[in-house]
Amino acid sequence: GAGVSQSPSNKVTEKGKDVELRCDPISGHTALYWYRQSLGQGLEFLIYFQGNSAPDKSGLPSDRFSAERTGGSVSTLTIQRTQQEDSAVYLCASSSNPGKKLFFGSGTQLSVL
Amino acid sequence: GNSVTQMEGPVTLSEEAFLTINCTYTATGYPSLFWYVQYPGEGLQLLLKATKADDKGSNKGFEATYRKETTSFHLEKGSVQVSDSAVYFCALSDRGDDKIIFGKGTRLHILP
Repeated sequence: GAGVSQSPSNKVTEKGKDVELRCDPISGHTALYWYRQSLGQGLEFLIYFQGNSAPDKSGLPSDRFSAERTGGSVSTLTIQRTQQEDSAVYLCASSSNPGKKLFFGSGTQLSVL
Repeated sequence: GNSVTQMEGPVTLSEEAFLTINCTYTATGYPSLFWYVQYPGEGLQLLLKATKADDKGSNKGFEATYRKETTSFHLEKGSVQVSDSAVYFCALSDRGDDKIIFGKGTRLHILP
């Protein structure tokens, strides 16, 4: 595609529910990154994929967070049993080479009530 | 572990003023360094980068020089415009570790 696409753009959920956030990277980009942007916290690294494998999952805040990538393309970030502190903007980025220039999506604004 | 520290904002300047946003880093190897910018209502985009010591990245009148001796990558612009109002993020990618980590961001307001 022309750019990194994320869906939904906004998600409001109740505490305790599960949510799935989707990222569609630029076609041909092998590296895919997930970040969380909270007020006053900047960009917090969550996980990155090279192809379908995730060499670094060190940023996932808890075992309620998981991510997968299939076919070297679309990635899904799943948050189980959401908590209010999970409210943030979740950003996805892709790159033609890991560690190089990132192209960001517009993000998913998650609000947990 | 690797980290990026940048000056806290918000920074408020008048149009045509000189801008410096400080960024220092900690890395175990020889990282590549980046500045990303997030304009209001838009996604993050790469502003400039430098991949080795003494390299200078530049774009849109902004410059930053990779200083290994001071582990810094300060962002500068000689004469800012209202359209430069945005949030600026310093970032690094360490060789051998493709994780890219960001600083907390500095919000810049330029007054006409």
